[in-house]
Amino acid sequence: NAGVTQTPKFRVLKTGQSMTLLCAQDMNHEYMYWYRQDPGMGLRLIHYSVGEGTTAKGEVPDGYNVSRLKKQNFLLGLESAAPSQTSVYFCASSYSTGTSGTYEQYFGPGTRLTVT
Amino acid sequence: GQQVMQIPQYQHVQEGEDFTTYCNSSTTLSNIQWYKQRPGGHPVFLIQLVKSGEVKKQKRLTFQFGEAKKNSSLHITATQTTDVGTYFCADQTGTASKLTFGTGTRLQVTL
Repeated sequence: NAGVTQTPKFRVLKTGQSMTLLCAQDMNHEYMYWYRQDPGMGLRLIHYSVGEGTTAKGEVPDGYNVSRLKKQNFLLGLESAAPSQTSVYFCASSYSTGTSGTYEQYFGPGTRLTVT
Repeated sequence: GQQVMQIPQYQHVQEGEDFTTYCNSSTTLSNIQWYKQRPGGHPVFLIQLVKSGEVKKQKRLTFQFGEAKKNSSLHITATQTTDVGTYFCADQTGTASKLTFGTGTRLQVTL
């Protein structure tokens, strides 16, 4: 099992350019998430999905769009990149909740994005 | 919205010393999860606490959930260089098991 994979690992964009980050998981998880990590601020949730074909906004969704066309993939799009979107982006996935138990999130290796 | 703060932001210890990070929330916590992120790496799940006053141990790590469920702590006994990294608490609540992460505590251990 590869777990959670992310592509690309690094990317440099100019202001106004667009790009898509791809997240894939092979654990048959229902839930998937996109976070951004900035120094001193922990991880902040951008968007999440509770299943194929569904997405929802997290804490900091502005400037991003997402799609979950297949259960194993979760795409994060930046339509018009801004320097404020320079960050490390992490994708995560987890099982959906049942009665009780521990539903930890499994994280991908991250994408380091710089917008100049 | 909910704010989850951790103190200290950074701690530098000599190998063998103890270390504690505290996680405090502006609202009552639901389930607390703890993650470790090595430098240049991604967060990795350590443990989950659910009940008020709960204490769990993993070898040299002791995790505690406050009685009022507004705080949590992670204590490492006799630190080792392999403990280096940033430790995050996260409140798991609401739909889709969303996590609200704390600000993190970066631990540096030197010989």
